Amino acid sequence: EAGVAQSPRYKIIEKRQSVAFWCNPISGHATLYWYQQILGQGPKLLIQFQNNGVVDDSQLPKDRFSAERLKGVDSTLKIQPAKLEDSAVYLCASSLDTQQFFGQGTRLTVV
Amino acid sequence: QKEVEQNSGPLSVPEGAIASLNCTYSDRGSQSFFWYRQYSGKSPELIMFIYSNGDKEDGRFTAQLNKASQYVSLLIRDSQPSDSATYLCAGNFGNEKLTFGTGTRLTIIP
Repeated sequence: EAGVAQSPRYKIIEKRQSVAFWCNPISGHATLYWYQQILGQGPKLLIQFQNNGVVDDSQLPKDRFSAERLKGVDSTLKIQPAKLEDSAVYLCASSLDTQQFFGQGTRLTVV
Repeated sequence: QKEVEQNSGPLSVPEGAIASLNCTYSDRGSQSFFWYRQYSGKSPELIMFIYSNGDKEDGRFTAQLNKASQYVSLLIRDSQPSDSATYLCAGNFGNEKLTFGTGTRLTIIP
């Protein structure tokens, strides 16, 4: 069974630039999550989708972050404009029930 | 604010000994808890989950849940160098959403 796919694996951008991350969940998983993991911390939930609807985006900085999940499968997370403090690993996870499975993540460095 | 707290470590354990990782949480309504292992530079990998009070064993791993004390632990028996990683405790506080602790860094000393 294929796992959660994410791309790119690494990205370096300058502050104020924009960046987008892509996620393809495990086939059949209705729920998709985007997390931000800053070095030395646990993952922090940014947004949760159920199919193509948003369940929780209470911790998403909506002035600069946006996410969509068209057709209830793939998802993209965008940051515009990026700040230095956005440097982190962005993890995508999917689940069928309560067990979440993570992708390899995208390591973002903002310089 | 629902919180999950872990000692960040590092926790050093001799090879072959039992490693004990602990986690406390603040929400009495929590339904289930998950332990993830995360190697440096890798994504979290699910090791175990536990829903009911008591112990749950899977190979060398045992998860323990005490809802009255709001305490979750993970025991690793016969620790191996390959167990060296950061262990993340996460609570499901409803709506299939997980709240993670900061993780405990475990080092197994050969």
